[in-house]
Amino acid sequence: DIQMTQSPPVLSASVGDRVTLSCKASQNINKNLDWYQQKHGEAPKLLIYYTNNLQTGIPSRFSGSGSGTDYTLTISSLQPEDVATYYCYQYNSGWTFGGGTKLELK
Amino acid sequence: EVKLLESGGGLVQPGGSMRLSCAASGFTFTDFYMYWIRQPAGKAPEWLGFIRNKANGYTTEYNPSVKGRFTISRDNTQNMLYLQMNTLRAEDTATYYCARPLMYTTLAYWGQGTLVTVSS
Repeated sequence: DIQMTQSPPVLSASVGDRVTLSCKASQNINKNLDWYQQKHGEAPKLLIYYTNNLQTGIPSRFSGSGSGTDYTLTISSLQPEDVATYYCYQYNSGWTFGGGTKLELK
Repeated sequence: EVKLLESGGGLVQPGGSMRLSCAASGFTFTDFYMYWIRQPAGKAPEWLGFIRNKANGYTTEYNPSVKGRFTISRDNTQNMLYLQMNTLRAEDTATYYCARPLMYTTLAYWGQGTLVTVSS
């Protein structure tokens, strides 16, 4: 089974900061990776699909990149409404979520 | 507008059974795979399985952690998705979501979830 490791588990940042969240797969997942945002008490929400494709309606400050085993979600200028937990999800071999990164305001 | 609405959750005793439902609307149901995902409180989501679309024969795939205990089915005349859960354990306690992909894999639309609590 493919394991997905997200880092850091918790990230504190200030409004306006550039924020980078990481997701590492235990083997090559060929860019078959999505990013989801989950706010407290809500269902996960799709942000980025197939590594770097922005879902309709998602602000352009969100972007994704990566290849092989290493993937990144970047928020170019953190906004208060971005406080949430972010999950990566691979579907190259089986289907696996990462453990999440909780993003907080400093 | 795509809408997914889960129902059927609640309290069940260990060893018991429960069937969750997901009412789908706003799209051609038979065109899409449909997924079940669960999330224990404070933990990451876990993919449970999916049922394929009409073009792929409505076949199913399951997470090994639930294979043999959980069954996914669909009623295409009613636009309903189901999750039959048997021999429930305390570790099955979670919020259960149904989801529709963009095409086959990316989980673009989610329901609001239904809470299942397995406890005596």
